[in-house]
Amino acid sequence: DTEVTQTPKHLVMGMTNKKSLKCEQHMGHRAMYWYKQKAKKPPELMFVYSYEKLSINESVPSRFSPECPNSSLLNLHLHALQPEDSALYLCASSTPPGQGAEPQHFGDGTRLSIL
Amino acid sequence: GENVEQHPSTLSVQEGDSAVIKCTYSDSASNYFPWYKQELGKRPQLIIDIRSNVGEKKDQRIAVTLNKTAKHFSLHITETQPEDSAVYFCAVPQGPGSGGTSYGKLTFGQGTILTVHP
Repeated sequence: DTEVTQTPKHLVMGMTNKKSLKCEQHMGHRAMYWYKQKAKKPPELMFVYSYEKLSINESVPSRFSPECPNSSLLNLHLHALQPEDSALYLCASSTPPGQGAEPQHFGDGTRLSIL
Repeated sequence: GENVEQHPSTLSVQEGDSAVIKCTYSDSASNYFPWYKQELGKRPQLIIDIRSNVGEKKDQRIAVTLNKTAKHFSLHITETQPEDSAVYFCAVPQGPGSGGTSYGKLTFGQGTILTVHP
């Protein structure tokens, strides 16, 4: 069972389009994450939200814009992407890190293709 | 930042054999060590984790051992089955030395492709 739900599962968009990826969890977690994963590579952290506030931005280009409207939802707004942005985008959630890290649970991801 | 090295990059075993994957890390302050399994086209799935106050943790056929002095931890799979075939990633969080703001940051190893032959 996937407790972190991501939509859409697949997305094809042109470089001039604007689209959004969505992530939802109902585990009561107050930390949510966006990762990017290229084929045959490990996930790379993009953003971390803790208690609905952005706590980590890994120097991600501004064409990626995260948003956390409430404790259950996380969005990633996409605009003017490049072909190299094609990847699997994974959302994860956890209890907020306190004095140490907490287990992160991943969604199934959105496979994004930029034409 | 954290430097994580994972070996081997590929591992091929016969069904019933054991498999061991090892990760080394650089930040001695790290205190939590998860392992993820990712099947083709699927999400990374947390399969086992260990905290620095214990040296070993076991869950059925899967175990993780931790050597904090040497800064390495290993995944052990016994009695392997074809359904264990997947990519396995270790991960290490940013330690407390950064002031606490990077606790959510996981650095992943490069992954091990495990193939279990029937």
